[in-house]
Amino acid sequence: EAQVTQNPRYLITVTGKKLTVTCSQNMNHEYMSWYRQDPGLGLRQIYYSMNVEVTDKGDVPEGYKVSRKEKRNFPLILESPSPNQTSLYFCASSFVGQGANEQFFGPGTRLTVL
Amino acid sequence: AQKITQTQPGMFVQEKEAVTLDCTYDTSDQSYGLFWYKQPSSGEMIFLIYQGSYDEQNATEGRYSLNFQKARKSANLVISASQLGDSAMYFCAMREGSDYKLSFGAGTTVTVRA
Repeated sequence: EAQVTQNPRYLITVTGKKLTVTCSQNMNHEYMSWYRQDPGLGLRQIYYSMNVEVTDKGDVPEGYKVSRKEKRNFPLILESPSPNQTSLYFCASSFVGQGANEQFFGPGTRLTVL
Repeated sequence: AQKITQTQPGMFVQEKEAVTLDCTYDTSDQSYGLFWYKQPSSGEMIFLIYQGSYDEQNATEGRYSLNFQKARKSANLVISASQLGDSAMYFCAMREGSDYKLSFGAGTTVTVRA
């Protein structure tokens, strides 16, 4: 089944404790992206990657890191989480090129930073 | 400036009736794409429908249709014959030019009444 998976789905942590949210897709998509969803703000892009070893900042990158060592994986790293990073996080992926109209979203990771 | 505006925070609709969700967008690109996603209470993002800026016909997918008015920069979603399972948050999003980032509106919550 074609899908984007994220782990963990739920996480409660404390300020300053490094964490990684994994994202993996099995559709051979070149493009992968992380979004965060906050009430009243919709989804905002954190980081994206056009292909292996190619990553760039989105609209709200502060406090996050990413890497793209393999095509299928795009982990999101919070080196020192803070309470303002409490949010619902989505990983998404798509093909690149003409006709690549749909972005596939993972199930979401609900993160609480105390 | 806000790229996507959804002015209806919440709506109620009677089962079997049609409902229109408003979306206006702002872009200077000639080439862009408009998307609608559904987010049920379980949290996942479900792709509903896509409209390209050069598409001459309004997009339709089953009970979903997109009322695309280019001159007005609006892309309203119409859900016909509402069902209880349509109760969810609905997001309008846009992709501009060669950028694969999706810019989202704040969302509209739809509640279908029996």
